[in-house]
Amino acid sequence: DSGVTQTPKHLITATGQRVTLRCSPRSGDLSVYWYQQSLDQGLQFLIQYYNGEERAKGNILERFSAQQFPDLHSELNLSSLELGDSALYFCASSDRLAGGSTDTQYFGPGTRLTVL
Amino acid sequence: GEDVEQSLFLSVREGDSSVINCTYTDSSSTYLYWYKQEPGAGLQLLTYIFSNMDMKQDQRLTVLLNKKDKHLSLRIADTQTGDSAIYFCAESGDYGGSQGNLIFGKGTKLSVKP
Repeated sequence: DSGVTQTPKHLITATGQRVTLRCSPRSGDLSVYWYQQSLDQGLQFLIQYYNGEERAKGNILERFSAQQFPDLHSELNLSSLELGDSALYFCASSDRLAGGSTDTQYFGPGTRLTVL
Repeated sequence: GEDVEQSLFLSVREGDSSVINCTYTDSSSTYLYWYKQEPGAGLQLLTYIFSNMDMKQDQRLTVLLNKKDKHLSLRIADTQTGDSAIYFCAESGDYGGSQGNLIFGKGTKLSVKP
């Protein structure tokens, strides 16, 4: 158990809909990262937050957005869903930029999104 | 741009050693990581190596880093059927930089035959 929690585990929805994925980082970790894992693209970095502020953006679509709340949990919002958005979405946390000695990221179990 | 390459499949017999190889492109990577993903599960951090090290050993795992060739390998000694999984190599940027995201390879699927 990495200490990172994600809900829900599975999500099935229709094209055009909007969903919210939730992540709680490990206790004490201020950085949260979101990744998408799909068969064709592999594991891709989407976005990073540190202590409530956006720090870095990767291959995140404009239809996707995220935020990190004062209690450090994070949400990834996916809107106008398309079939191609079906994937595993992982959240990871680290103590980066908070005095941690490595960039070591600990991953949650993921949310499997299926868009029908 | 940054890229991490791995072979896609490796098959070994139980008890043998497994060697999973990875090449990366970003010479500024401070740390390099190995993650394991079992079917239907998340990513489990196995080990990492700091870029100024050549080797790191952790029980059955040995990581070798050739910084000149940008080549990283993971050796699993006495491979067991429970080691069957997908192994991902990942690199990250400078610790002092603004980005800490990981760049992953496509993963190597290790199959261990009894």
